[in-house]
Amino acid sequence: NAGVTQTPKFQVLKTGQSMTLQCAQDMNHEYMSWYRQDPGMGLRLIHYSVGAGITDQGEVPNGYNVSRSTTEDFPLRLLSAAPSQTSVYFCASSYRGSEAFFGQGTRLTVV
Amino acid sequence: GQQLNQSPQSMFIQEGEDVSMNCTSSSIFNTWLWYKQEPGEGPVLLIALYKAGELTSNGRLTAQFGITRKDSFLNISASIPSDVGIYFCAGITQGGSEKLVFGKGTKLTVNP
Repeated sequence: NAGVTQTPKFQVLKTGQSMTLQCAQDMNHEYMSWYRQDPGMGLRLIHYSVGAGITDQGEVPNGYNVSRSTTEDFPLRLLSAAPSQTSVYFCASSYRGSEAFFGQGTRLTVV
Repeated sequence: GQQLNQSPQSMFIQEGEDVSMNCTSSSIFNTWLWYKQEPGEGPVLLIALYKAGELTSNGRLTAQFGITRKDSFLNISASIPSDVGIYFCAGITQGGSEKLVFGKGTKLTVNP
C-alpha cells in the first residue's frame, strides 16, 4: 500500500518557469490538500479538494492552481515561479473529518 | 480564520525527562490530532482524539482532548533521543468543508 506519493522529491526552478507537483493516493480518500511548510510558519493550506471536480482555496492560494479530475490525483501547478515560493510542499489525503496522511514532500527552490 | 496556538515553540531536554506541550484555540474543533515530523519526512500521525475529555495513550505518549473542545495537550514520558523532531497539533473544524488547521509546531531536542 503506497499511501500518498509525491513527485518529484526535489526541484530547482528559475523565476518565471512553470511546473506541476504531482500527488497521488491509493486509499480512496475524498479529501486531498496541499500545504507549504516554511521555517517557523508550520503547515499552511494552499488548496484543498473534497472530491473529484471540487476544489477550494486555502490560506495561501496565490500563485498556485489545482484541479481534481480523479479521486486519486491532485496536482499542484505553479504558474510563474517566484523566489517566495521556495518551500517544502506536502500533499495530504483523508476521509471526511478524519486524520490526514501525508506524502514525503517536494523540496522546491526557485532561483 | 481559525488559528491554533501551540506552545512551547521549542524545548531542549535531557534524556529521561518528561515533556508536555499544548495547543489552544478560540474556535471549537471536532477532532484533535497530534503529528510528529522528522527531518526530511512528512508529518506522521501519533494520536487522534475524537471526543471532548478523551484521554488516549500510544506507548509513552498521552494526549487529551479538552472539555471545552478548544484545546489539547500531548505528554511524552521518559524521553529518548529518537523523540527528536517537530510535533504539530492539528484540529478538524466543525461542519462545512472540515478543514485541517495546524499549529506552528514544537521543536523537541533531546540531549543524551
